[in-house]
Amino acid sequence: DAGVTQSPTHLIKTRGQQVTLRCSPKSGHDTVSWYQQALGQGPQFIFQYYEEEERQRGNFPDRFSGHQFPNYSSELNVNALLLGDSALYLCASSLGFGGSFEKLFFGSGTQLSVL
Amino acid sequence: AQKVTQAQTEISVVEKEDVTLDCVYETRDTTYYLFWYKQPPSGELVFLIRRNSFDEQNEISGRYSWNFQKSTSSFNFTITASQVVDSAVYFCARGGGSQGNLIFGKGTKLSVKP
Repeated sequence: DAGVTQSPTHLIKTRGQQVTLRCSPKSGHDTVSWYQQALGQGPQFIFQYYEEEERQRGNFPDRFSGHQFPNYSSELNVNALLLGDSALYLCASSLGFGGSFEKLFFGSGTQLSVL
Repeated sequence: AQKVTQAQTEISVVEKEDVTLDCVYETRDTTYYLFWYKQPPSGELVFLIRRNSFDEQNEISGRYSWNFQKSTSSFNFTITASQVVDSAVYFCARGGGSQGNLIFGKGTKLSVKP
C-alpha cells in the first residue's frame, strides 16, 4: 500500500516563474493538506482540500493556489516565485475533513529552490 | 495565535544517554490533539504519537515515553538509552478545535554521538 507520494522530489526555478507540485494521497484518504517548511523551521499550513474544494487556508498570499481532483490527488501552484518561497513543501493526507487527525500521513516532500 | 513552543533548538547527547524534548502549547480549545513527529535528513515526517486532550495517561513505547500535563500545557517526549539512529529533528504539533490543520513548533535537533 503506497503512502503519500509527492513529485517531483527536487525542483529548481528562477524568480518570477511558476511552479506546480503534485501529491497523491494514501489509498483510501480523501483529504489533502499542504505545508511549507522553510529551512530550520517547523512546517506551516498552506491550505487543505476536501471534496475538491479549499476548506481551510493558512496565512499565505494568493500566489499560492491549489486544486484537488476527483481521484483525491492534489496540486499546489505557486505563481511569481520569490526567493523566500524556497522551502520543503510537504503534503499530508487523511480521511475526512476536520475531526481527530487520526491516520494523518505525510509525504517526503518536494524541495523547491528559487534562484 | 495558539503557538507550540519547543524551547530547545539543539540537543547533543552521547549514545545510551536518556534525553527529554520539551514542548509547551497554547490553546483555547477544550478538545485538541498533540503530536510528536521525527524528521530524519530524508525530509519525511515520521509519526511518533498522537494524544487527545482527554487522555492524560502517559505512555511508554519501547525506548520512547511521553508526559502529557494539561495543567502546565506541556507534552514532553523522552528517549531512553538513545541511539545514533535517533539523530533527527523532532517536532511537536497541535491540532483541533475549529482548525483542520496542525500547528508545529520550530523543532529540536537531536544529535546522538557514538
